[in-house]
Amino acid sequence: QVQLVQSGAEVKKPGSSVKVSCKASGGTFSNSAISWVRQAPGQGLEWMGVIIPIFGTANYPQKFQARVTITADKSTSTAYMDLSSLRSEDTAVYYCARVRSGYEFNAFDIWGQGTMVTVSS
Amino acid sequence: EIVLTQSPGTLSLSPGERATLSCRASQSVSSSYLAWYQQKPGQAPRLLIYDTSSRATGIPDRFSGSGSGTDFTLTISRLEPEDFAVYYCQQYDHSPETFGQGTKVEVK
Repeated sequence: QVQLVQSGAEVKKPGSSVKVSCKASGGTFSNSAISWVRQAPGQGLEWMGVIIPIFGTANYPQKFQARVTITADKSTSTAYMDLSSLRSEDTAVYYCARVRSGYEFNAFDIWGQGTMVTVSS
Repeated sequence: EIVLTQSPGTLSLSPGERATLSCRASQSVSSSYLAWYQQKPGQAPRLLIYDTSSRATGIPDRFSGSGSGTDFTLTISRLEPEDFAVYYCQQYDHSPETFGQGTKVEVK
């Protein structure tokens, strides 16, 4: 059974960037798409974008289009989420999640453990 | 963007009782592309229901989903101690995918 293992917690200064990784353990991404979702402390879930690793194409919601870059390395079954121009409101837990059934848009059936990103001066 | 409104915000129930959670969309979610997740403190969300009414792998049959158009429901037939958590609905019919704000099911 594939698991998604994310990189560790980060503390960043305002205006800097952060890159979070998500590696498929016990398998590969295969034909799956990988999405990124964030959750600010005590808040709900917010979708940040999706990538289909076999194609390398990413899709972002308008809110994040200017600041988020999602990439994937098929050879290592690792996806990355890069968020730039960080501000305090970006403090959150960032999750990667596998999109079920090989579609770009579908429910998320496997989740990473989450990566806490703290933005503070 | 489709706004999902979940109600109630908090549901106070006892183990063994039935829980009914609502998710209302600001516009029609066609093809029933709606999912439900459970999240416990300090954990990632877990997929319970996809495509409105299909249970994910390993999900007990006390969890069921229903609805269409703009009104969707998650029902937990008999609450077990491990079911007390926060539940989110998600639509993946229109981009951007959106989530509801969550319903907390707490012990009465």
